[in-house]
Amino acid sequence: NAGVTQTPKFQVLKTGQSMTLQCAQDMNHEYMSWYRQDPGMGLRLIHYSVGAGITDQGEVPNGYNVSRSTTEDFPLRLLSAAPSQTSVYFCASMPLGGGGKGTQYFGPGTRLLVL
Amino acid sequence: DAKTTQPNSMESNEEEPVHLPCNHSTISGTDYIHWYRQLPSQGPEYVIHGLTSNVNNRMASLAIAEDRKSSTLILHRATLRDAAVYYCILNNNAGNMLTFGGGTRLMVKP
Repeated sequence: NAGVTQTPKFQVLKTGQSMTLQCAQDMNHEYMSWYRQDPGMGLRLIHYSVGAGITDQGEVPNGYNVSRSTTEDFPLRLLSAAPSQTSVYFCASMPLGGGGKGTQYFGPGTRLLVL
Repeated sequence: DAKTTQPNSMESNEEEPVHLPCNHSTISGTDYIHWYRQLPSQGPEYVIHGLTSNVNNRMASLAIAEDRKSSTLILHRATLRDAAVYYCILNNNAGNMLTFGGGTRLMVKP
């Protein structure tokens, strides 16, 4: 199993540009999520999904869109990049069911710099 | 969603035990307590989880208070490789959003 994969590893954008961060998992997990982590800070939840066709907002959703057309993929779209979106982005997946025992598996992260 | 509070940072000497506390006073009966750690420049990784009873695995031990309003992650012998940010979160597996908070930065001195 590859686990959770993220592409690209690093990206530089100019203000106003748009881009999509890719996330895929091969563990058939229902739950997927996106977090951002600013330097020296904890993780903040952007969006999450409990299955294909279902998405919901997290703590900091503004400026980001997501979709979940398949169980495996959960792309994060930046509509119009701003310097405040400079951060490291982590994708995670988790199996549902099991009454709270499910653990999250994280990808290696995408470092985004917006100039 | 139930929230957790942790100290911002803690220090330990190498090869000594470390007790990392977490308060979760609004925990519900179906919430499992999960701990993750984040090594420098890496994504978080799972450490341990529990519901009511204390738990042990190869990485750490988890001690859960009888009223479940707090828990403690125990590293029995800290090594330099244990220097990381440790996060305590609650999960009831209902598909709710899982928030992390700031975590505790553990520094290990040789």
